Amino acid sequence: EIVLTQSPATLSLSPGERATLSCRASQSVSNYLAWYQQKPGQAPRLLIYEASNRATGIPARFSGSGSGTDFTLTISSLEPEDFAVYYCQQRNNWPRTFGQGTKVEIK
Amino acid sequence: EVQLLESGGGLVQPGGSLRLSCAASGFTFSNYAMSWVRQPPGKGLEWVSLIRGNGGSTYYVDSVKGRFTISRDNSKNTLYLQMNTLGAEDAAVYYCARGGFNLFFDLWGQGTLVTVSS
Repeated sequence: EIVLTQSPATLSLSPGERATLSCRASQSVSNYLAWYQQKPGQAPRLLIYEASNRATGIPARFSGSGSGTDFTLTISSLEPEDFAVYYCQQRNNWPRTFGQGTKVEIK
Repeated sequence: EVQLLESGGGLVQPGGSLRLSCAASGFTFSNYAMSWVRQPPGKGLEWVSLIRGNGGSTYYVDSVKGRFTISRDNSKNTLYLQMNTLGAEDAAVYYCARGGFNLFFDLWGQGTLVTVSS
């Protein structure tokens, strides 16, 4: 099973600041990695797929990078609605696995 | 409107069974693999199971193999998850999600809560 380790667990930032979230895989997942955003009481929403492609309707302030085992989600300038939990997920191997999540909270 | 709507959650005793349903609308259901993803209260996401578009192949996380069965009825645009021998570790919000095979999970339902308690 591929283990995805996200860091940090919590990121405390102010609106307008840049957020950098990390996801590290226990073995290569090529570029088959996605990022999701989840707000309290809501289902997750796909943000980034195949490491660097924004999903439909996702603002340009969200960007993804990386390949192999190391991936990054960057939010260039945090908007109030961006404070949420973010998960990475791989589909290179079975079982499909998620990271444990990074909470982006208001400082 | 493109959407997924789960139903069937509720309170079940340990060792009991439950069947979840997910009604799809607004897209060609049979063209997509479908998955179940669960989230225990206050915890992270766990992929549970996937079924290919034609229903010919199914996949499960090890912890549910032999207890859960995923199926679909493409004539009714509906996905199912039959859950047997439920334990406390199965308590979670269960989400139906489109994708997981050659696509990521690009469409999610609102979730249905499964509580396992005596």
